[in-house]
Amino acid sequence: EAQVTQNPRYLITVTGKKLTVTCSQNMNHEYMSWYRQDPGLGLRQIYYSMNVEVTDKGDVPEGYKVSRKEKRNFPLILESPSPNQTSLYFCASSPGGLAYYEQYFGPGTRLTVT
Amino acid sequence: KQEVTQIPAALSVPEGENLVLNCSFTDSAIYNLQWFRQDPGKGLTSLLLIQSSQREQTSGRLNASLDKSSGRSTLYIAASQPGDSATYLCAVGTFTNRDDKIIFGKGTRLHILP
Repeated sequence: EAQVTQNPRYLITVTGKKLTVTCSQNMNHEYMSWYRQDPGLGLRQIYYSMNVEVTDKGDVPEGYKVSRKEKRNFPLILESPSPNQTSLYFCASSPGGLAYYEQYFGPGTRLTVT
Repeated sequence: KQEVTQIPAALSVPEGENLVLNCSFTDSAIYNLQWFRQDPGKGLTSLLLIQSSQREQTSGRLNASLDKSSGRSTLYIAASQPGDSATYLCAVGTFTNRDDKIIFGKGTRLHILP
């Protein structure tokens, strides 16, 4: 089954403790991205990757890191999480550029930073 | 700067009614427009993707239209059912300074009353 998977689905952590949220897709998509969703603010893009070893900042990249060493995986790293990073996070993938192709979303990771 | 607006933010209608959800965008220079469905605490599911050269797309009881010149799209749901209760998001594919990206509206939360 074609899908985007994220792990963990739920995470509660403390300020400053490094964490990684994994994202994997099995559709051989070139484009992957991370979003956060907050009440009243909607979905905002954090980082994206056009292909392996190619990543770039989205609208709200501060406090996050990403890497794309393999086509299928695009982990999101929070080196020193803070409470303002408490949010619902989505990974998405697309066959190519967003302007032309449909995006496929993962189930989401709900992160709470205390 | 492209902005996407969805009004109303929430809508309740009795089961069986036909309904229209609205989406407007400020810059008509878009490549496509996509409608998504999001269930509480879940990821986004793509419903319909309309390319900029198209006027509408249909899938089952759903019909989405696009009027680029007026900056509007509508999602028509026929014979609504309680299972249609969800948040509906529209998003436009557009080109910014450096590359293409997708801009989301904040969604319309739909509740179908049994």
